[in-house]
Amino acid sequence: DGGITQSPKYLFRKEGQNVTLSCEQNLNHDAMYWYRQDPGQGLRLIYYSQIVNDFQKGDIAEGYSVSREKKESFPLTVTSAQKNPTAFYLCATQQGTSYNEQFFGPGTRLTVL
Amino acid sequence: QQQVKQSPQSLIVQKGGISIINCAYENTAFDYFPWYQQFPGKGPALLIAIRPDVSEKKEGRFTISFNKSAKQFSLHIMDSQPGDSATYFCAASYHSGGYQKVTFGIGTKLQVIP
Repeated sequence: DGGITQSPKYLFRKEGQNVTLSCEQNLNHDAMYWYRQDPGQGLRLIYYSQIVNDFQKGDIAEGYSVSREKKESFPLTVTSAQKNPTAFYLCATQQGTSYNEQFFGPGTRLTVL
Repeated sequence: QQQVKQSPQSLIVQKGGISIINCAYENTAFDYFPWYQQFPGKGPALLIAIRPDVSEKKEGRFTISFNKSAKQFSLHIMDSQPGDSATYFCAASYHSGGYQKVTFGIGTKLQVIP
């Protein structure tokens, strides 16, 4: 998990509520990513950001939003528009763009009640 | 649409045996193939990675075999140990617009029994 902090570890949400998942890193990495993990589906990319104040949609961005106001922080908001938000959410960072590993945080498990 | 196909989804191996996980891809733009290991409740961590200009890479008990013409690659875990019990993800990536886009397989849950 290294220098990546995700909070909270567990999060419960009622239907219709927006929730924000925190991701903070002290690795000084430029790129940050959000993935969603569901059983039997691997990791799917939600959003990614290469630099501050810039981010791009991944494969499953609908119902999610992000911001990148600081290099260290990349929060993810799960909105009420996300139809099936119960999942394990992983934040990752990467230094540079060339064949470097992605470092993952410990994850946040979101459950919609 | 699964760009990286991984099999099997689950695997049970006896201690000391060889664990083999296979992956296949279609997109010839992929130029980096990492394997990640994930323990329950934790984030994945890089285990070993290979570039397509080599056919094999070994690190300790872990070996990647890569067949560029067949667009297949596999992870071999020699002398498997109970501590290797985890979920393993293969991945493939390429560069687009200064960004490394990574596609993951669905994962293989490995259980090594004593």
